[in-house]
Amino acid sequence: DMQMTQSPSTLSASVGDRVTITCRASQSISNWLAWYQQKPGKAPKLLIYKASTLESGVPSRFSGSGSGTEFTLTISSLQPDDFATYYCQQYNTYSRTFGQGTKVDIK
Amino acid sequence: QVQLVESGGGVVRPGRSLRLSCAASGFIFTSYGMHWVRQAPGKGLEWVAVTLYDGTTKYFADSVKGRFTISRDNSKNMLYLQMNSLRADDTAVYYCAKDRTPCGGDCYDAFDVWGQGTVVTVSS
Repeated sequence: DMQMTQSPSTLSASVGDRVTITCRASQSISNWLAWYQQKPGKAPKLLIYKASTLESGVPSRFSGSGSGTEFTLTISSLQPDDFATYYCQQYNTYSRTFGQGTKVDIK
Repeated sequence: QVQLVESGGGVVRPGRSLRLSCAASGFIFTSYGMHWVRQAPGKGLEWVAVTLYDGTTKYFADSVKGRFTISRDNSKNMLYLQMNSLRADDTAVYYCAKDRTPCGGDCYDAFDVWGQGTVVTVSS
């Protein structure tokens, strides 16, 4: 079974910080990876697909990179609206496995 | 605008059944794979099931295989999740979500639109 592992699980940061979240796949998924943002009580929101393509309307401070088994989500300058939980998701197989999530909170 | 609206959640006893519905609007429903994803209280996202554009191909997570069934009515723009033999660990918010791009085959894609979720609580 495909496993997706995110690190860290929690990240404390300040407004203006550069933030990086890592996602590792247990086997190669090429670039079939998406990143989502979720706020409490809300549905997830697609940020990035195909590892590095920004979804329409998503601020350019978000970026994604990687291929194969290792991927990163970077927020270049953290804004107050960015405090949330972030999930990676592989879609290389029919089973769209999610990572366990990374909570970004206020330092 | 593109919208997904879930309904049918509630409190149910272990071993019983429940059917969730998802009403789709604002896009050509028959062209997209559709999914159910759940989130247990305080936990992460878990993909549950997918039905491809025409409803003939379906896949399930191991945790629900043999107990849950996914279906769609393309004439009504509706997606369903029939949940049988419910267990306490099925307690979650259930979201429906659509694939980002249309596909007339077995395609894999990210989810660009999600519903607001419906809460299922399995408890005696």
